[in-house]
Amino acid sequence: GAVVSQHPSWVICKSGTSVKIECRSLDFQATTMFWYRQFPKQSLMLMATSNEGSKATYEQGVEKDKFLINHASLTLSTLTVTSAHPEDSSFYICSASLAGEVDEQYFGPGTRLTVT
Amino acid sequence: GQNIDQPTEMTATEGAIVQINCTYQTSGFNGLFWYQQHAGEAPTFLSYNVLDGLEEKGRFSSFLSRSKGYSYLLLKELQMKDSASYLCAAMDSNYQLIWGAGTKLIIKP
Repeated sequence: GAVVSQHPSWVICKSGTSVKIECRSLDFQATTMFWYRQFPKQSLMLMATSNEGSKATYEQGVEKDKFLINHASLTLSTLTVTSAHPEDSSFYICSASLAGEVDEQYFGPGTRLTVT
Repeated sequence: GQNIDQPTEMTATEGAIVQINCTYQTSGFNGLFWYQQHAGEAPTFLSYNVLDGLEEKGRFSSFLSRSKGYSYLLLKELQMKDSASYLCAAMDSNYQLIWGAGTKLIIKP
């Protein structure tokens, strides 16, 4: 089946630093990747939709200058949290869709970010 | 606005059957998804319905009524490992998933 990996699985960083999270589709080409964040006991919140070779589309309320998304290839998208603050601590999950298919997103295992 | 409603928490007994309901309101509709999410892990895909009716997959079945904006996930022969959150998500006309907050299912022996 389609496998999506994320790295790192967890990270602790100091306030003010930047953190990069990678999302890779291991055995398929993903023209579209999605970045979500999830706070405890809350729904997944879509942050942005990333299409290979073009700028990401950010959801309302998500700062594009703070959450930098790069989708440089069909198998890799990165999310960089710049100048992280404690309120950015969350579970960040990426998902990927197969080209031309909309009936399923394949999720990465998630990255737990803790900002101290 | 777009909205997904599902119960916050349910409790069931091992070996029993449980039905988790979900109602949705979206701008357009391109299908209804159910995901299972264990604590601290990412969601895993369970089912996808776009046509009315029941889809059965092993111990899990999912039902959709488009006219009522309603779906349910039916879990049979419950096992302890089924304790998890179950997320309902509807895909709108822009092919974007609108997520419910999840139903935490607690299985008791």
